[in-house]
Amino acid sequence: AQKITQTQPGMFVQEKEAVTLDCTYDTSDPSYGLFWYKQPSSGEMIFLIYQGSYDQQNATEGRYSLNFQKARKSANLVISASQLGDSAMYFCAMREGGSNYQLIWGAGTKLIIKP
Amino acid sequence: SAVISQKPSRDICQRGTSLTIQCQVDSQVTMMFWYRQQPGQSLTLIATANQGSEATYESGFVIDKFPISRPNLTFSTLTVSNMSPEDSSIYLCSVEPVQGVGVNTEAFFGQGTRLTVV
Repeated sequence: AQKITQTQPGMFVQEKEAVTLDCTYDTSDPSYGLFWYKQPSSGEMIFLIYQGSYDQQNATEGRYSLNFQKARKSANLVISASQLGDSAMYFCAMREGGSNYQLIWGAGTKLIIKP
Repeated sequence: SAVISQKPSRDICQRGTSLTIQCQVDSQVTMMFWYRQQPGQSLTLIATANQGSEATYESGFVIDKFPISRPNLTFSTLTVSNMSPEDSSIYLCSVEPVQGVGVNTEAFFGQGTRLTVV
């Protein structure tokens, strides 16, 4: 079974609108961490935001926030006021505490911001 | 955080040849990883580069095809050997800090090497 599922292969969003990128995960480990990375067309992976399984509040980093719904095992990334520079691939990833901490990656979502 | 310099950033290579990718980190790190990202796909871990010992390869990847060196805590190389067009991918090195890994450990990445085999 997929441990990280990103159901949106691609999304088009109008500039300045908010966008939500979906991520669901599957783990029986009570201790885990969830990450979002951005990959522009240049290829580098840029860390955006982190959410721990025991965190009581949703993580926020500037225009990025993570809508963490633990019971539903979802960790959606919300980008507010999207910009043209937000066009990129976005990956959700997870570390489980009981394993060797290896990062498990989702398939990614290609986000295109329209002017 | 760690600053990672990965070289080359891109290359076009003839089939049957080999390419060595370098990853230099500005601080000592415990774990270095090499990933492959085939076109339009997610990241697949090739191997963990261990300082002073042989790399640990994931299922489907072998040392003869992807030899890895890790001579110290700041440097590693990945060689893609006897290349074929199927090896065309982005190759990424990633590091995690020397103080050890927990669920909250952020991974840092090099700029990636975009390899095209013709």
